[in-house]
Amino acid sequence: DIQMTQSPSSLSASVGDRVTVTCRASQSISRNLNWYQKKPGEAPKLLIYGASNLQGWVPSRFSGSGSGTDFTLTISSLQPDDFATYYCQQSYNVPPTFGQGTKVEIK
Amino acid sequence: EVQLLESGGGLLQPGGSLRLSCVASGLRFSNYGMTWVRQAPGKGLEWVSSISASGGSTEYTDSLKGRFSISRDNSKNTVFLQMSSLRAEDTAVYYCATISGAGGDGTCYDYWGQGTLVTVSS
Repeated sequence: DIQMTQSPSSLSASVGDRVTVTCRASQSISRNLNWYQKKPGEAPKLLIYGASNLQGWVPSRFSGSGSGTDFTLTISSLQPDDFATYYCQQSYNVPPTFGQGTKVEIK
Repeated sequence: EVQLLESGGGLLQPGGSLRLSCVASGLRFSNYGMTWVRQAPGKGLEWVSSISASGGSTEYTDSLKGRFSISRDNSKNTVFLQMSSLRAEDTAVYYCATISGAGGDGTCYDYWGQGTLVTVSS
């Protein structure tokens, strides 16, 4: 199975901060990498697909980059609605696997 | 508007069985592969199983093979997850989601239900 490792596991940031979350795959996954946003009590939401494509509802302050084994999710200016847990997920191989999540908390 | 509605969760004892259902609306269900993803309390997301649009192909996470079975009824816009020999570690919120292409870069899960809680405890 492909292991997905996110860092950091959690972070504290203030509104307006630039936030970066990284995701590393245990082998190359090309650009078959998705990001999801998860809030407590809510369903996960697809944020970014194919490493860098924003889903329709996603504000432009979010961006994704990377290919191969190293990927990044960036929030250019953190907003109150962005406090959540973010998961990366590879779809290169079966089983599809998720990172352990990065919890973005209010400082 | 696409909606997915899971049902069938509940409290049951170890060794029990349960069938989860997920009814879809607002989309041409028979065009979509479907997946089940779960989240145990305080844990991350874990892929459970997927089924192709026609139902002809299924996949499972290795640890669940033989205990869980996915199926679908396209005439009822419904996907099922039959769970048996349940264990405490199967306690989780179970989400169904649609599988879509990711712009040529694999697949992604673009629509999700709100989840149904399965609790396995004696």
